[in-house]
Amino acid sequence: AQTVTQSQPEMSVQEAETVTLSCTYDTSESDYYLFWYKQPPSRQMILVIRQEAYKQQNATENRFSVNFQKAAKSFSLKISDSQLGDAAMYFCTTQGGSEKLVFGKGTKLTVNP
Amino acid sequence: NAGVTQTPKFQVLKTGQSMTLQCAQDMNHNSMYWYRQDPGMGLRLIYYSASEGTTDKGEVPNGYNVSRLNKREFSLRLESAAPSQTSVYFCASRRGGDHPDTQYFGPGTRLTVL
Repeated sequence: AQTVTQSQPEMSVQEAETVTLSCTYDTSESDYYLFWYKQPPSRQMILVIRQEAYKQQNATENRFSVNFQKAAKSFSLKISDSQLGDAAMYFCTTQGGSEKLVFGKGTKLTVNP
Repeated sequence: NAGVTQTPKFQVLKTGQSMTLQCAQDMNHNSMYWYRQDPGMGLRLIYYSASEGTTDKGEVPNGYNVSRLNKREFSLRLESAAPSQTSVYFCASRRGGDHPDTQYFGPGTRLTVL
């Protein structure tokens, strides 16, 4: 079985500063991916970043980067130079070779001007 | 490409009524999914279809049925709606196969059952 735990129900950050969202997971899959999705008030689920578990290098997408610690089963998201548009719910997820995408309960990020 | 589309965007039902949520994707994906999102619960898988002609139960299938009409379309039916089914419903799709890959989501349907 796969599980995903996001221990921070809410986080806040000042505009232009950096924030890190935490995620731990457990999976019995040997081949799996990890994702961070963003859900703004519009409800649309938007892919932020993807990490293939077989890759040692941490994924980066512009201001978004991850710290992937495979042995510790940790997958944190760092947002640099935070912008007002980054305010949203952020979901950590994992998918293995099975069809199921397992979601954490989410972290609500507030960006203060 | 429209990606994943869902209809309707909003729906209000009375207890016991039935309805079908429609989902279509134009990315030639093999796998399609239905999730529900409740406050504080994240997204939970209701049903999925790994390929045309197949469907399987997810984590919370009770009270729902699905149909994979063709490769593009995957519908979710509530035969007798209950207030516990008040939720936001998301359809998603991915290329599919034995290896993991990215799921792409539709805009969601907000359903209220009175």
